[in-house]
Amino acid sequence: KNQVEQSPQSLIILEGKNCTLQCNYTVSPFSNLRWYKQDTGRGPVSLTIMTFSENTKSNRRYTATLDADTKQSSLHITASQLSDSASYICVVSHPRYSGAGSYQLTFGKGTKLSVIP
Amino acid sequence: KAGVTQTPRYLIKTRGQQVTLSCSPISGHRSVSWYQQTPGQGLQFLFEYFSETQRNKGNFPGRFSGRQFSNSRSEMNVSTLELGDSALYLCASSLDDPQLYEQYFGPGTRLTVT
Repeated sequence: KNQVEQSPQSLIILEGKNCTLQCNYTVSPFSNLRWYKQDTGRGPVSLTIMTFSENTKSNRRYTATLDADTKQSSLHITASQLSDSASYICVVSHPRYSGAGSYQLTFGKGTKLSVIP
Repeated sequence: KAGVTQTPRYLIKTRGQQVTLSCSPISGHRSVSWYQQTPGQGLQFLFEYFSETQRNKGNFPGRFSGRQFSNSRSEMNVSTLELGDSALYLCASSLDDPQLYEQYFGPGTRLTVT
């Protein structure tokens, strides 16, 4: 079964500190891996999209890494701010094996990050 | 450019009833996907519509259905509501194939079934 596992489930850090969120997947092959940020009560917002050939991608204070060999991705947040408090969701896009040309997006359950002053 | 809009934002229904949720994609986006989000299961894919045709479907029962109109607006219907259908329903739009193009999510409709 294709799965995307995220860790930790929740994390509390002090404002200004760095943190790293993990995403392990068993999906193979895959088209791309995405990280989303979801504020409470709102829809997810895309942070990064990486294809299997990319190792690193940055978006302001967010840096995502991908190791396709070990099937691991991480999202590093630098100099955290109170506004970084949110759930971070890892999503893997991959072919759907039933139905030609179909795709599937498999979502992790997210890491809930709380940044405190 | 206006973002993805969903109506209504909140809804309370009783078991056995049916409900219709609406989604207006970003102008120019032809693909609309629907997702169910619950604390226990996270985000789960319901279906995707493109040019008024269902192009992809998740593993949900037939009580969940949808459609897309010629202006790309989409509706999702859930019949014979069950308590377990209580969730945040999210709609996302993209220019074309969500696998290749970035998806933009709406704020969601919070459905509570009592």
